[in-house]
Amino acid sequence: QSVLTQPPSVSAAPGQKVTISCSGSRSNIGNNFVSWYHQVPGTAPKLLIYDNSKRPSGIPDRFSGSKSDTSATLGITGLQTGDEADYYCGTWDSGLSAWVFGGGTKVTVL
Amino acid sequence: QVKLVQSGPEVKKPGVSVKVSCAASGYGFTNFGFSWVRQAPGQGLEWMGWISAYDGSSHHAQRFQNRITMTTDASTNTAYMELRSLGSDDTAMYYCARDRITVPGNKDYWGQGTLVTVS
Repeated sequence: QSVLTQPPSVSAAPGQKVTISCSGSRSNIGNNFVSWYHQVPGTAPKLLIYDNSKRPSGIPDRFSGSKSDTSATLGITGLQTGDEADYYCGTWDSGLSAWVFGGGTKVTVL
Repeated sequence: QVKLVQSGPEVKKPGVSVKVSCAASGYGFTNFGFSWVRQAPGQGLEWMGWISAYDGSSHHAQRFQNRITMTTDASTNTAYMELRSLGSDDTAMYYCARDRITVPGNKDYWGQGTLVTVS
């Protein structure tokens, strides 16, 4: 049972938009920055979004992040087959004094 | 460019220890920290702990209390994670990731992973 709750899967057709939610509490998302990672099965995770909404160099602006209160959202527009991967949110939990990840969301391009 | 290269796969018997290394290059080693993250087969990411390469301060997940030791060696730009008293549920891919210097935060570069099999 993850501290951060994500939907197990989302899907959409190529070119469409998907959003992935990450729900937490005041001790984690509510008071700390959120980052997002994507992972193609069999490979290492990769940072996609940091500090709630910033994109590292090389990440296209099709990917966006936002945070409101105790929830965060990852958006992917112009969906491509190469976007099929598992996506994880993560943040520091001040109550647990631990970094926590969401359970992950599998994105499928129909 | 930033690179994290981890040690090779390990097969261990239950009850023994494993030590995974993570050799860093392409940046100032002591300006960052390291997180260790594992992923059991078919499962999600699990954060194990973080260590600052600057001053050795660390945090670890409660479930690894007394079983995990994280260290860094600035002379070789290498981070290490040792996990003791291995059980079958420790079978997983273990990743090191570059992290912030003072507290765990964004993990911006990741190693390729080290598969540890306990059997």
